[in-house]
Amino acid sequence: SQKIEQNSEALNIQEGKTATLTCNYTNYSPAYLQWYRQDPGRGPVFLLLIRENEKEKRKERLKVTFDTTLKQSLFHITASQPADSATYLCALGSNDYKLSFGAGTTVTVRA
Amino acid sequence: NAGVTQTPKFRVLKTGQSMTLLCAQDMNHEYMYWYRQDPGMGLRLIHYSVGEGTTAKGEVPDGYNVSRLKKQNFLLGLESAAPSQTSVYFCASGLKNTQYFGPGTRLTVL
Repeated sequence: SQKIEQNSEALNIQEGKTATLTCNYTNYSPAYLQWYRQDPGRGPVFLLLIRENEKEKRKERLKVTFDTTLKQSLFHITASQPADSATYLCALGSNDYKLSFGAGTTVTVRA
Repeated sequence: NAGVTQTPKFRVLKTGQSMTLLCAQDMNHEYMYWYRQDPGMGLRLIHYSVGEGTTAKGEVPDGYNVSRLKKQNFLLGLESAAPSQTSVYFCASGLKNTQYFGPGTRLTVL
């Protein structure tokens, strides 16, 4: 069966440093991969989408890589700020417009 | 633009009671989804709809029913609530690849 694994532990980093989150998957051939941000008590918010034929995507301080051979995506937050503290969800999608989500990684940025 | 709204925000039920969760979107999206989120687990898809009048089962459909009589609304029903259905429920809508989520409904079944 499909399995999506994100960093199992929470990530605590100093302001200004780069946070790197991983998303690994098995038994899946996604057409694209997405990252969402979720704040406590709120619904997830879409951040970035990367397709299977793309290696890297950037949006402001965010960078996502996608390696379909390793079955892995890396999500980087550069020059991190306390406002970046949240849980980040990885989601895999195929052409039926359904998503499969990982459990998420909680990031805390210390001032 | 309200986006995706969910009603109610909180609810406590007793085992065996029934209830309906309402999701509404004002973005004219074709696709709508119901998920549940439990601690330590990812969002799991309960049911989804690819258009008005259509519904389909997701990963964890047992114990739930849905209806999409109008394009903008997607209802999730629990006919006979069980403690295992205690969770946070999220509705989402989307055009194709991207989904927009509501604020969630926290449901406790005693």
